[in-house]
Amino acid sequence: EVQLVESGGNLVQSGGSLRLSCAASGFIFRSYSMSWVRQVPGKGLEWLSDIRPGSDFMSYTDSVKGRFTISRDNAKNTLYLQMNSLRAEDTGVYYCARVGLFGGRDGVDNWGQGTLVTVCS
Amino acid sequence: DIQMTQSPSSLSASVGDRVTITCRASQGIRDDLSWYQQKPGKGPKRLIYASTSLQSGVPSRFSGSGSGTEFTLTISSLQPEDFATYYCLQHNSYPWTFGQGTKVEVK
Repeated sequence: EVQLVESGGNLVQSGGSLRLSCAASGFIFRSYSMSWVRQVPGKGLEWLSDIRPGSDFMSYTDSVKGRFTISRDNAKNTLYLQMNSLRAEDTGVYYCARVGLFGGRDGVDNWGQGTLVTVCS
Repeated sequence: DIQMTQSPSSLSASVGDRVTITCRASQGIRDDLSWYQQKPGKGPKRLIYASTSLQSGVPSRFSGSGSGTEFTLTISSLQPEDFATYYCLQHNSYPWTFGQGTKVEVK
C-alpha cells in the first residue's frame, strides 16, 4: 500500500523559512516523480512543484519560483520542500503527491494527508 | 499557463440522481486530465485518469469523458458517500493546474 506521510508544518513568521518532509513507503520511491500541492483552508488545490526520479528536472509554479526548492533523497525514500521568504498567502495545507509512472500522461495518483503551514505577519 | 474552468462551483442533489461536472481547458490538453474527490480533512483521491480511465477500486458509477478542451465527470447514481468536493487536474503542460472545484451537497 502506498503511504505518503508529510511532516514539518508549523506556525512561522512572515519572511521566515520552513522545510517540509514526506516519508514514502509501499512503492519503489526512486522510480517515481513526486509533487507538492497546497490548499488554502476552505479553498481549492494549487500544484506547486514536481521533481523527476533522478532529480534531473524540477518545475515550479510562478507563485513559489525562487522561494521554494523541491528535493529528494532516494536512499531515505523522502521528498522535501524548502520554503523561504514565506508570506501570509503561503498559509495552507501542503500535500505530498506521487506522480504516476507515465508522468505528464498520468498525473497525480496518490496523496498524503497533508501538513498545515501557517504564516503570520 | 493553461486555465481550467470547472462548473458548477456547487450543486445540490439527492441520492440516486445523475450528476455531471464539467472542466474546460483554455487550450488543448489531449486527454491529460484526471478527476479527484476530496472529503473534509482528507487528501484527494483519484477517480479518473487519462480523461476516461477508471482508477482501480473506484465504483463504476463514476465515469469520465472528453478530449482536447472539454471534459466531463459523471456520477450515474449518486450515493451517500459521494457527497464531497470534486476537482479536475490538467497535467499536459507545466504548471499543472486544477479546476476551482465542485462541491456536491445534499438537496
